Amino acid sequence: GQQVMQIPQYQHVQEGEDFTTYCNSSTTLSNIQWYKQRPGGHPVFLIQLVKSGEVKKQKRLTFQFGEAKKNSSLHITATQTTDVGTYFCAGLTTDSWGKFQFGAGTQVVVTP
Amino acid sequence: NAGVTQTPKFRILKIGQSMTLQCTQDMNHNYMYWYRQDPGMGLKLIYYSVGAGITDKGEVPNGYNVSRSTTEDFPLRLELAAPSQTSVYFCASSLLGYSNQPQHFGDGTRLSIL
Repeated sequence: GQQVMQIPQYQHVQEGEDFTTYCNSSTTLSNIQWYKQRPGGHPVFLIQLVKSGEVKKQKRLTFQFGEAKKNSSLHITATQTTDVGTYFCAGLTTDSWGKFQFGAGTQVVVTP
Repeated sequence: NAGVTQTPKFRILKIGQSMTLQCTQDMNHNYMYWYRQDPGMGLKLIYYSVGAGITDKGEVPNGYNVSRSTTEDFPLRLELAAPSQTSVYFCASSLLGYSNQPQHFGDGTRLSIL
């Protein structure tokens, strides 16, 4: 079955530094979504990528979908304490009828 | 709009007890989902529904049941609670499951089985 892997599982970042989290799928995806979950909260939708090689930006966040549509990345520049939380990717295949497969997430801790 | 509402927010059950986790959404979304999230882990799909009267299993359906009699409501039933079902349960909904629509999550139900 479809497997979505995220690395790293844990990321400790100094405030102001950049970091990247990666999402890899064992199968080709039709689209991929990214969510952020603050400690004690619920996942909140950030963005969706659909096209091969697509790149989208949200302020300091840059999302990329691989050419083969089997991987994705989230890059955060100039990390702030508000970036603390767990970032999940969720992949959808063409035959999964709305059943997104979530990665295990990257937990981000930011130190001032 | 309230979005996705889950009740209760917290619950402690004894082994073998039963309970229903309630989920309702007021966005007229056709897709609804139940996930469980164990500590430090991602979300695992329990059941989902593509519309009233239609449900299907996700990754981890054993020990759970669902029904979808209306577009708004998607309750999750635990029949014989087991310690392995201790988790945080999230309900979510989306307008379409196969398209460019995000999933909207409720605040979760934190369930402990003792």
